[in-house]
Amino acid sequence: AQRVTQPEKLLSVFKGAPVELKCNYSYSGSPELFWYVQYSRQRLQLLLRHISRESIKGFTADLNKGETSFHLKKPFAQEEDSAMYYCAPPDNYGQNFVFGPGTRLSVLP
Amino acid sequence: KAGVTQTPRYLIKTRGQQVTLSCSPISGHRSVSWYQQTPGQGLQFLFEYFSETQRNKGNFPGRFSGRQFSNSRSEMNVSTLELGDSALYLCASSLDGFRVGNTEAFFGQGTRLTVV
Repeated sequence: AQRVTQPEKLLSVFKGAPVELKCNYSYSGSPELFWYVQYSRQRLQLLLRHISRESIKGFTADLNKGETSFHLKKPFAQEEDSAMYYCAPPDNYGQNFVFGPGTRLSVLP
Repeated sequence: KAGVTQTPRYLIKTRGQQVTLSCSPISGHRSVSWYQQTPGQGLQFLFEYFSETQRNKGNFPGRFSGRQFSNSRSEMNVSTLELGDSALYLCASSLDGFRVGNTEAFFGQGTRLTVV
């Protein structure tokens, strides 16, 4: 079955340290991949999508087809980055997103 | 423009009862998806509706059902509630579902259902 994994349930880093949130997928072809973020008491919202190759709030994510990964990276974490992060590739038929289990990022002062 | 609106925000029900949750998508969006969010299971996909038709369904029992109206508003119903149904239920709207690449989903604030 097609699936996505986020191996870390919780990731803690200090402010200013680099952060990498891992996401691996098992899909054939070229999937459309997204990262969504949920800050405390806020709606789940799109952070970035790989097709646009953009950087949002200092975060970037590169699709590595060889490793089937779409890790989210930021060189210098900020306290306001503390949130729940979900990797979201499409399901087998691209009809809907099956979200990864999520990683809670905690940026310590 | 107005965002995705879910009502009610909070709900407390007893086991065995049924509940209906409502989601009003962003104007012009034809796809509405529903998710169950719990600390242990994360985001679990329930189903997606597009132009009043259920287009995709997750692995939930038949007690979970939904529908979509001609104005794209959607309702989700859970019958014979169980304690394990306690969760935050989120709906997401998008122009054409996630079928199209580069399509963003907009989420509501969710309905927190507590079953006692």
